[in-house]
Amino acid sequence: NAGVTQTPKFQVLKTGQSMTLQCAQDMNHNSMYWYRQDPGMGLRLIYYSASEGTTDKGEVPNGYNVSRLNKREFSLRLESAAPSQTSVYFCASSARDRGEAFFGQGTRLTVV
Amino acid sequence: GESVGLHLPTLSVQEGDNSIINCAYSNSASDYFIWYKQESGKGPQFIIDIRSNMDKRQGQRVTVLLNKTVKHLSLQIAATQPGDSAVYFCAENPGAGNMLTFGGGTRLMVKP
Repeated sequence: NAGVTQTPKFQVLKTGQSMTLQCAQDMNHNSMYWYRQDPGMGLRLIYYSASEGTTDKGEVPNGYNVSRLNKREFSLRLESAAPSQTSVYFCASSARDRGEAFFGQGTRLTVV
Repeated sequence: GESVGLHLPTLSVQEGDNSIINCAYSNSASDYFIWYKQESGKGPQFIIDIRSNMDKRQGQRVTVLLNKTVKHLSLQIAATQPGDSAVYFCAENPGAGNMLTFGGGTRLMVKP
């Protein structure tokens, strides 16, 4: 049982480049989330999807877009990367409203 | 692993002692709380949760206490082991959809 799988694990981008972070879960969860984690800080919610076909902004959505492709997959796109987006990105999923969230292993993104 | 939590508050305990990690939450409307453990290079892992209709919940070697009057949450770890060394986050759900809001985290270091 893989749980939540994120790709890639590491990525270096130049300022202005675009990329998509992929996330897939195999637990048949309805809700999925994207968080970023900066040194010395907790996780901050970027976007979430309560169910297939819906997405909502979290605390720090600027500079990002998301797509809930189907129930399993939730991708995060950076259209024009900036150094301030250097961070570790975590995808998570949960089975029910306000239930515990299961996290992937993270994507470490560096924008130079 | 990634440089998560370079500037986090640190709790240092002797192996075998009990650990108490504290968290102050911000939203009086929050009715669901989770403690997560994050080891270096990994995503957060669920430890224990508690709903606001309870003030105490016990798991294996862990106990969560909730004081709604002062908006305070604590995680007690009995007989702390080297494998407990990690960063610990509390998270609250303020009832707005499925969003979890994370605290800043505490690094637990266990001395042999």
